[in-house]
Amino acid sequence: DQQVKQNSPSLSVQEGRISILNCDYTNSMFDYFLWYKKYPAEGPTFLISISSIKDKNEDGRFTVFLNKSAKHLSLHIVPSQPGDSAVYFCAASAYSGAGSYQLTFGKGTKLSVIP
Amino acid sequence: EPEVTQTPSHQVTQMGQEVILRCVPISNHLYFYWYRQILGQKVEFLVSFYNNEISEKSEIFDDQFSVERPDGSNFTLKIRSTKLEDSAMYFCASSEQGTSNSPLHFGNGTRLTVT
Repeated sequence: DQQVKQNSPSLSVQEGRISILNCDYTNSMFDYFLWYKKYPAEGPTFLISISSIKDKNEDGRFTVFLNKSAKHLSLHIVPSQPGDSAVYFCAASAYSGAGSYQLTFGKGTKLSVIP
Repeated sequence: EPEVTQTPSHQVTQMGQEVILRCVPISNHLYFYWYRQILGQKVEFLVSFYNNEISEKSEIFDDQFSVERPDGSNFTLKIRSTKLEDSAMYFCASSEQGTSNSPLHFGNGTRLTVT
């Protein structure tokens, strides 16, 4: 049951260029989308999020775009830096009404930024 | 910056043994979670905890699993009788609120190896 899909397991980008990481989802009840970054031997670190009522959110070099009709979101990193090399997880949430919510993660995309 | 801490970083145990994984969430956070990632697979939700009780749990979180907040700072995950398939990276997380726009902060994980 892959409600959140990241179809590219890996991506290589030259330093200074744009990195575009893609994510698709199937559950129309998701109301928030998040990107997490993960380095080896560390836990996922929150990067940026977007509400389902918006189509773009920008934070410095990171921009997330949401296309609700296509059930697609993407993370743009520009300019890419070698320190951005990590695994990027797309995650989505739907409030359960039980006092908390759970995240559904994609499998991740390993980004390598080449100096 | 406050962080979620998990101990131990690596736990090796024999099948059938009980293990307790420990977490210290961020001090002003009220919502606590356990997720796990089997090698090569997705990060999966196990359980959420609020106000000293389980808010939500996944199908993975069967009777072998339990969580506890024994002393107001620690948050533990107990696996009563470990199985080989319990081998995974277990991540603890906390959030300030239980809403979709309150990002989860993850610890660095405990790698559980069941032999």
